[in-house]
Formats: sequence, structure tokens, C-alpha cells
Amino acid sequence: DTGVSQDPRHKITKRGQNVTFRCDPISEHNRLYWYRQTLGQGPEFLTYFQNEAQLEKSRLLSDRFSAERPKGSFSTLEIQRTEQGDSAMYLCASSLIGVSSHHEQYFGPGTRLTVT
Amino acid sequence: AQKITQTQPGMFVQEKEAVTLDCTYDTSDPSYGLFWYKQPSSGEMIFLIYQGSYDQQNATEGRYSLNFQKARKSANLVISASQLGDSAMYFCAMREGRDSSYKLIFGSGTRLLVRP
Repeated sequence: DTGVSQDPRHKITKRGQNVTFRCDPISEHNRLYWYRQTLGQGPEFLTYFQNEAQLEKSRLLSDRFSAERPKGSFSTLEIQRTEQGDSAMYLCASSLIGVSSHHEQYFGPGTRLTVT
Repeated sequence: AQKITQTQPGMFVQEKEAVTLDCTYDTSDPSYGLFWYKQPSSGEMIFLIYQGSYDQQNATEGRYSLNFQKARKSANLVISASQLGDSAMYFCAMREGRDSSYKLIFGSGTRLLVRP
């Protein structure tokens, strides 16, 4: 399968613990995005990478959140000192920025985080 | 202000009939792109169709077509010959040309249920 993959699919953690999610984009894609989706809402942008450079962070991304994309391949999203409000689906998407594409983003299956 | 508005929280359609899902958008950017995604219960966002603001014709992809009315700022998704597998959440999204991130702004979605 050559789509976007995410690991784990589900994570249950206790308040105050740290969690880390991984995203593997489509291999030739140069952009990688993270979104958060809460129940009954559409996804909201968190941050994105162009190759290994993190170019924008949403104000939703508090200082407890950090994301990396070493070597421009997979990405990790870490949440420190989790809070119950962090419970959500975390979606990763990738796209290929080029001259002739629509720049459509292809999404992974998401990681559902539950903070108890 | 909401940039993407989907006013139908839920819709029913009989199998084999056509259905229209509404989406209105708000932007002052003359260059933008509009997307529709399908999200089954498994959680993955599946790209369906794209319409660029300068495209002269309405986009079509198989059973999906986009009724693009630029002056009314609407981009409704039409699904023809509905199938049981079309039951899912549907999200309309926009990216603005002036935003080099190409991040997507999503609506709150419409849940479609196809009746046999």
C-alpha cells in the first residue's frame, strides 16, 4: 500500500502523560500536514512541512505540541502533559507541490487520542 | 466568520437516486480551490473532486460532479446513482491562493445515509 499511514490508530493515555504519533506520507510527496478533528467538526489545520522544514504552525498548536519531519520523510507529532481537551482524531496528509497539480492532499487513517 | 458553511448536518437518499450536498464559501481571494472529501466511519478522508476558481467548467469525477456557482459562492456536490457505500460524512474544503501553505479550511460536514 502506497498511501499515507499513521501509527498508532488509537491511543488511550492518562492526563499528564506524553504521547507521540507517527505519520508516513506518500513517498514522493514534499508537503506534510497535520490536522486535528474533534467530534462533529471538520479537521482543523495544525502545522505543515515542506520537506524537512516546518513552515507554519497554527495558534491551536500550543507549546505542549511539537512536530518534526527529519530528513523530509516521516513525521512525528508529540503532545506533552496531555489534557482532556487534547482528545481528538489527529490526521496527517501529504501532497505534491508542483506546477500542474491541484495540490490535493491525501490523508492517512488518523490517530484517535483519548485522554482520561 | 465561517469560511466554509455546510448547512445540512444530515441527509437521507434512496439508493440509486441522486443527492446534492450544499457548500457555500467566503473568500476575498480571487484565486482559490474547492475540494470535497468523504470520510467513512473508518476515519480516513478520501479526496473526491476539485474545482479551481478559474475553471470554466464544472468538475466531474465519475458519479461525482460539482455544481460551481461562483457569483453565489457555492460549490455543491452532486452524487448520482447513490450506492450504499456512499453512506459517510462529506466535507467541503477550500484553500486560498494567497496562502502559500495551501492548508485546507473545512466545513463542519454533512452526514449522508443511503437507504436501500
